[in-house]
Amino acid sequence: GENVEQHPSTLSVQEGDSAVIKCTYSDSASNYFPWYKQELGKRPQLIIDIRSNVGEKKDQRIAVTLNKTAKHFSLHITETQPEDSAVYFCAASPGYALNFGKGTSLLVTP
Amino acid sequence: KAGVTQTPRYLIKTRGQQVTLSCSPISGHRSVSWYQQTPGQGLQFLFEYFSETQRNKGNFPGRFSGRQFSNSRSEMNVSTLELGDSALYLCASSPSGQGAGTGELFFGEGSRLTVL
Repeated sequence: GENVEQHPSTLSVQEGDSAVIKCTYSDSASNYFPWYKQELGKRPQLIIDIRSNVGEKKDQRIAVTLNKTAKHFSLHITETQPEDSAVYFCAASPGYALNFGKGTSLLVTP
Repeated sequence: KAGVTQTPRYLIKTRGQQVTLSCSPISGHRSVSWYQQTPGQGLQFLFEYFSETQRNKGNFPGRFSGRQFSNSRSEMNVSTLELGDSALYLCASSPSGQGAGTGELFFGEGSRLTVL
């Protein structure tokens, strides 16, 4: 089955800096790559996703890049703010189920 | 629209007991999937139901089972509970008829199970 590795497990940045979280996947059939944000005590929520026919996607301060050849994808958050502090999960799917990475705990300090 | 609702929110069981968790999806969503969330392992896929049929299953032992009713509500059951089953169990619904891995999942707040 699909195996998704996510790094780093924890990340601390100063407010205004950029944050990058990287994921690799194993199943070349995977074609859908979402990112979920989970604030403390709350449910995971989709923040951005990308499909295999696209190399990059942006939504305001958030961007995701995908390298299908290398089987890795990354989340980029620019101009980080304290409210970006949360656990971020990447996931990959060949179409029938989402396989999540173990999460990255991002802390943005003022 | 009301969001995904899970009950109960918290429960405590002892080893060997069984537990049933319930999930009501967003109205109109026919796909319901279940995930186990633990601090060390993140979110792990349990199974997905669509139109009352289990469509996909993750790598969990047979003690974990589920079902879906005609109104799309779903239940999952864990029998012969073990200490390692302590976790947050998240349910998610999806409007996609093509599978839980093809579009946005809408998660419930989860059922936190503690096994003593």
